[in-house]
Parts: sequence; structure tokens; C-alpha cells
Amino acid sequence: DQQVKQNSPSLSVQEGRISILNCDYTNSMFDYFLWYKKYPAEGPTFLISISSIKDKNEDGRFTVFLNKSAKHLSLHIVPSQPGDSAVYFCAASATNFGNEKLTFGTGTRLTIIP
Amino acid sequence: DTAVSQTPKYLVTQMGNDKSIKCEQNLGHDTMYWYKQDSKKFLKIMFSYNNKELIINETVPNRFSPKSPDKAHLNLHINSLELGDSAVYFCASSKRGGRGDTGELFFGEGSRLTVL
Repeated sequence: DQQVKQNSPSLSVQEGRISILNCDYTNSMFDYFLWYKKYPAEGPTFLISISSIKDKNEDGRFTVFLNKSAKHLSLHIVPSQPGDSAVYFCAASATNFGNEKLTFGTGTRLTIIP
Repeated sequence: DTAVSQTPKYLVTQMGNDKSIKCEQNLGHDTMYWYKQDSKKFLKIMFSYNNKELIINETVPNRFSPKSPDKAHLNLHINSLELGDSAVYFCASSKRGGRGDTGELFFGEGSRLTVL
């Protein structure tokens, strides 16, 4: 029962262009969404988040969009840089139950081509 | 100065053995977690402790026993290891508020366990 899905296992983008990573969820109780970035041999690190009361959150080159009706969120990185090459995990939680449990997607490996 | 540190980073062992992975966080967080990333790359929560008290146990076999001697440490002991236990185990910590808290997780580097 995969409640958070990242259907693209990998994505390659030219340096300087926009990277768009997608995530779908099925549990309508999810109301808080996060993106984590993971380099090889390291743990995931928090990147950006969005609450369900918003439809967009921006932090520098990173913007997350949330479409609640479609149960879809996306992460936009612009412009893409070589250091952005990593695996990106989408995660969701139902905050009415506190922050104890995050449900993760399986990740998308982003490769930025110089 | 590592915020969440876990040891060992790599562990290779035979089926049937017992092994432990240790985790420490110096962030002053109240809540610690163990996540498992299997061969299909699913990152799933196993346990969560808040101030040494177990608050989440996600249908993990009894062979897995977490121990939290204090709120800065959460160790994972695994008895009678099986081939399917091979995975990367991530420790994490977070602040814990009440309802509506959305504190981010801080992860350790992971411990890759290989059972032969």
C-alpha cells in the first residue's frame, strides 16, 4: 500500500534548465508535505516543505507546488546546478497526529548534465 | 560535529547472529526514530521514541528491539538475523511539539547491514 508515489525513478536535466520532480499521494488525511534530498552514503536532508493550506512555497531556487484536488505535488529547481544531482524523496504526514510519522516515496534520482 | 551519528556504518554478518546499531543525537531533540530503506528503496519508519518512551512501532518483527537509555540515544538490536533484514537503517531525530507540529527530521548517515 504505497501512499506516496514518485513514478519517475530518474530524471536528467541540462545545467541551467528547470528540474521538475513529481509526487502523488493517496491518503486524503495528509496535510503536510516535505522534500528531502539525499547524496550517496549520506542520510536524507530536509529541503523544503508545504502545508496543505498553501499551494506554493518558495525558497531560493526551490519551489514546491501543491494541488490538493489532484493529490499531487511537485518540486521545481531553477536554475538547476550540478550540485543538485541527488536522489529526491517526497514525504507526507498527517499533522493532526503530530510529526511522528512521515510516509516517504521511493525517490527520484536527478542528474544534472553540465 | 555530526548532529545525528550512528555506528557502525557497515555491518556484514551471518544469518542467525545478533547485532546492534547505535545512534546518538546532539541536537537536544525529544524524538528519535529508526527508518529502514530496503532494496526497493522504500524508506519506512520502524520505531519512534519520545523522551525514552516508545510512541510508534510499525509492525516490526519481535526480533527487532529498540532501546533508548536517554533521549539522546536510540539503539537498535536485532536478534536471529535473516537474509531479508539486509537493508540500510537510518536513525533520525526531531523536535516534537503537539498537534500540528511539523518539525523536520534530521537523519544520520545510515548503517548498511548485509546478512549472508
